[in-house]
Amino acid sequence: QQQVKQSPQSLIVQKGGISIINCAYENTAFDYFPWYQQFPGKGPALLIAIRPDVSEKKEGRFTISFNKSAKQFSLHIMDSQPGDSATYFCAASYQGGKLIFGQGTELSVKP
Amino acid sequence: DTGVSQDPRHKITKRGQNVTFRCDPISEHNRLYWYRQTLGQGPEFLTYFQNEAQLEKSRLLSDRFSAERPKGSFSTLEIQRTEQGDSAMYLCALDKRLSNTGELFFGEGSRLTVL
Repeated sequence: QQQVKQSPQSLIVQKGGISIINCAYENTAFDYFPWYQQFPGKGPALLIAIRPDVSEKKEGRFTISFNKSAKQFSLHIMDSQPGDSATYFCAASYQGGKLIFGQGTELSVKP
Repeated sequence: DTGVSQDPRHKITKRGQNVTFRCDPISEHNRLYWYRQTLGQGPEFLTYFQNEAQLEKSRLLSDRFSAERPKGSFSTLEIQRTEQGDSAMYLCALDKRLSNTGELFFGEGSRLTVL
């Protein structure tokens, strides 16, 4: 099944809080899982990515948690800031770099 | 700056007209991708090139769509006889890390509105 399911569709978090976005997939042929951040009118920007043989990856305030057996992965944004307000997409890579994207999560961080 | 320039940024056209979008990488990268993004959705894969060779086309790419990458540098995406359903953002992306992992660097896109 070539789908990546993402939730929630929208998320409101207070400044300083933790934002959590979840994704699930079915196809075990997916071999890499990047996250993208997109601001209105801009193209998606690569944020952080993880291989399926790694359970967690952290870069600054952004952490990916990966559960291979459950076929689920999530993005945690620690100490969320108003500047983090954007749409976030999880994705799964297959066959040499092609991507299947989730439906997106619109994050709003309130000051 | 992702090193990917797309032109035009916005295009409004009437149904039935042809449109062409161009993607210019700042430097040469062997893999170049085209994606389409409709409002409120994630991008969808259309096609990709390894140098000048077009390696795969999605089923989303009907016969009205054609993409080229002459000389393995810039790329063009042409849509003939546009339909209202073609209204979307057309995104060009590069695999700058040559990793084939989906760590792509996207341009800012060309937004098409078909009236």
